[in-house]
Amino acid sequence: EAGVAQSPRYKIIEKRQSVAFWCNPISGHATLYWYQQILGQGPKLLIQFQNNGVVDDSQLPKDRFSAERLKGVDSTLKIQPAKLEDSAVYLCASSLEGGINIEDTQYFGPGTRLTVL
Amino acid sequence: GQQVMQIPQYQHVQEGEDFTTYCNSSTTLSNIQWYKQRPGGHPVFLIQLVKSGEVKKQKRLTFQFGEAKKNSSLHITATQTTDVGTYFCAGPRSSASKIIFGSGTRLSIRP
Repeated sequence: EAGVAQSPRYKIIEKRQSVAFWCNPISGHATLYWYQQILGQGPKLLIQFQNNGVVDDSQLPKDRFSAERLKGVDSTLKIQPAKLEDSAVYLCASSLEGGINIEDTQYFGPGTRLTVL
Repeated sequence: GQQVMQIPQYQHVQEGEDFTTYCNSSTTLSNIQWYKQRPGGHPVFLIQLVKSGEVKKQKRLTFQFGEAKKNSSLHITATQTTDVGTYFCAGPRSSASKIIFGSGTRLSIRP
């Protein structure tokens, strides 16, 4: 079974530039998550999709971050404009259902390491 | 807001010693998940606990979920160099599906 794919793996940009990350979840997984992991910290959930609808985006800085999941499969996360504090690894994960009361494993992609100079 | 804290932040042990990390939530959790992240890698799911007081074992790893469903622990018996990494707990609140990850415990091992 193919895992969660992400691209690019690394990105270096200057502040105020724009950047986009792409995620392809495991085939058949209804739920897709974007996390931000700053060095030395645990992943922080930015947005959760169930199919192509947003379940939770309460921690997404909407003035600069946007995400979409067209057709309920692939997803893109965009930052415009980037700030220095956005330097982090952006992880995409997917799970079969996403429910809170069932055994539902999240599978993470390799992440995109973003450096903002 | 909800917080999930883990202690200790770091643990450095001699190979063969035991290791325990503790996870505490400020609110009741409907379930708790444990992940391992190797240096430079991504989190990998280890286990999920759902029931109050539940204990699960995976070879040298023992996971416990507290009776009040607000705390959990991961115990590794006789650590090996392959156990190196950061261990995270994560759990949704009872009334929402948002997943909160703990701060993690970084385990390093002296061969």
